[in-house]
Amino acid sequence: EIVLTQSPGTLSLSPGERATLSCRASQSVSSTNLAWYQQKPGQAHRLLIYGASSRATGIPDRFSGSGSGTDFTLTISRLEPEDFAVYYCQQFGSSALTFGGGTKVEIK
Amino acid sequence: EVQLLESGGGLVQPGGSLRLSCAVSGFTFSSYGMSWVRQAPGKGLEWVSAISGSGDRTYKADSVKGRFTISRDNSKNTLYLQMNSLRAEDTAVYHCAKHIAVGRWHFDLWGRGTLVTVSS
Repeated sequence: EIVLTQSPGTLSLSPGERATLSCRASQSVSSTNLAWYQQKPGQAHRLLIYGASSRATGIPDRFSGSGSGTDFTLTISRLEPEDFAVYYCQQFGSSALTFGGGTKVEIK
Repeated sequence: EVQLLESGGGLVQPGGSLRLSCAVSGFTFSSYGMSWVRQAPGKGLEWVSAISGSGDRTYKADSVKGRFTISRDNSKNTLYLQMNSLRAEDTAVYHCAKHIAVGRWHFDLWGRGTLVTVSS
């Protein structure tokens, strides 16, 4: 099973600042198989990025994904108030699927 | 409106059984694979099980093999999760999620979940 390690656990930033979230895999992951989600209290989870760098439908362009192999990054270029949430990376392969432990982006 | 609505959660004793349902609307249900993903209180996300659009292929996490069974009724636009031999560690909010495309295991739609509590 591929283990995804997200860092940092918590990111304290102010609106307007840039957020950089890391997702590291225990073994190589195809870029096609890497996604990022946003979780906010009381709301359904939201797909942000799939295929490591493709924005899902309706996702603002301040969200971007990059990376390959074992290191992937989600960048939020300028934090809006609604972006303070928990973010998860996810991979699938060989009929198994795993999530990272999450990064909480909180208001500083 | 596109919607996934889970039901069937509740309090069950260890060793007991529960059947979760996920009613789907707003898209062609039979065209998409579906999964169940759970989140224990205060914890991260854990994929549980997946099923192909036609229902002929299923997949499970090791943690639920031999205990949980995923199924679907495309005539009723409904996904199911039969959970047997429940353990305390199965306590979680269970979400159903739609796969983004055939053969792609990313989820572009999620339900808000139903809470399963396993306790005596």
